[in-house]
Formats: sequence, C-alpha cells, structure tokens
Amino acid sequence: EADIYQTPRYLVIGTGKKITLECSQTMGHDKMYWYQQDPGMELHLIHYSYGVNSTEKGDLSSESTVSRIRTEHFPLTLESARPSHTSQYLCASGRGSSYEQYFGPGTRLTVT
Amino acid sequence: AQTVTQSQPEMSVQEAETVTLSCTYDTSENNYYLFWYKQPPSRQMILVIRQEAYKQQNATENRFSVNFQKAAKSFSLKISDSQLGDTAMYFCAFMKHPGGATNKLIFGTGTLLAVQP
Repeated sequence: EADIYQTPRYLVIGTGKKITLECSQTMGHDKMYWYQQDPGMELHLIHYSYGVNSTEKGDLSSESTVSRIRTEHFPLTLESARPSHTSQYLCASGRGSSYEQYFGPGTRLTVT
Repeated sequence: AQTVTQSQPEMSVQEAETVTLSCTYDTSENNYYLFWYKQPPSRQMILVIRQEAYKQQNATENRFSVNFQKAAKSFSLKISDSQLGDTAMYFCAFMKHPGGATNKLIFGTGTLLAVQP
C-alpha cells in the first residue's frame, strides 16, 4: 500500500466545532488532492494542490479550506462543522505528469 | 465537461466465475486515460487497471482486463476467476492526458461487487 496517511480515521463532532483533517504522504509527491465521498456515491474533488503554497478549489463547492505549507502535508479545515458536512473525506497524492494517484484510508466524519 | 456513468449499482458473482462491470463516459477530448479503481470495505482505494485512449490494445493485469471501445465511449472491466478478495466497490474514472496542471480524476458512481463463496 502507498505511504499516505490520514487522521483521524473516524470523527464524531458537534455542530459549530472547528476541525482539521490531516493528510500526509512520504513519497515526495508534488500534487495532492481532497475528495468528498457520500455513502454509495462517487468521489468529488473539493481541493487540490500543485505544490507548496499552491491550492485550488475543485469541482464540488466546499466550505472547507486547505493549506500546503510543506510538500508532505495537506490538511483540510472546517471552521464551523455542520451536519451537511457529514461524509467521507479521501486524500490522494500524485507525482508530476504521472497518471497515478495514491489514496489514503479516508476520514469518516459525522457532525451531529 | 466530462462525465462517467456506471449503470450497475450492485453486482454479484460466484467464486471462480467471470463478471463484467460496465462504464460509459462522455468527453470531447481525444487524448485521455481511463481507470478502474477498487475500494475494499474499510480499506484504501487502489488502482486496478488503466487504459490510454491512444492505445487500441485492451489493457490486461492478471485476472483483470478491459474492453475499451473508444468510438462508443465504453470501458468495461472483466474480472476472471473471481476471488472473495475481489469483493469491493469498483469505480470507473477519467483523466485528461496527464501532464496538465492538475491531473484531476472524474469518477463514476461505483459498482458494488459481491463475490459469493
């Protein structure tokens, strides 16, 4: 399996809390991605990064924000969690012009 | 905009049998990649097989092969000699030719495959 990690794996949190989902990779990949996956549904890209200090919003609008201060680290933050944010969040990374993306195990977030 | 459609939400196959998962896509691009990803229960998504659109020969990886019909925009996955470990959600995905700024993947809704003993 690829060297990409996500923490926490599961999170149950109350409405209004600020949360940060962590994603780290040890492969030196320049590109990193966040996908949102609702149960039984496809993955939708919500954020991506070309490299350090570059971030862009994806195809699906999201109230979350991301940062890329270090190559290996791409955290996602929700300033004020809401029940509509309940979903699975998958992080992925890839190198340069390579087609392959390596996925993390995901964080399953439940906002009550 | 590109779209990917998987019309089979769930499928079931007996162990050792062969199963085919369907995928169609829509794009105006001529140069692109297609993928099948596997997401086992509570485990990481992994790449099963890829196909470059410029290649006419269908990709094969051990028990997994594809039937790529570019004109019909069809990309099915065949799993031969199904094993219990093949039980997973399978996603078909599209990417414009890599080398662009983003290499974004566009996914279908997935097919849940259950391999029965």
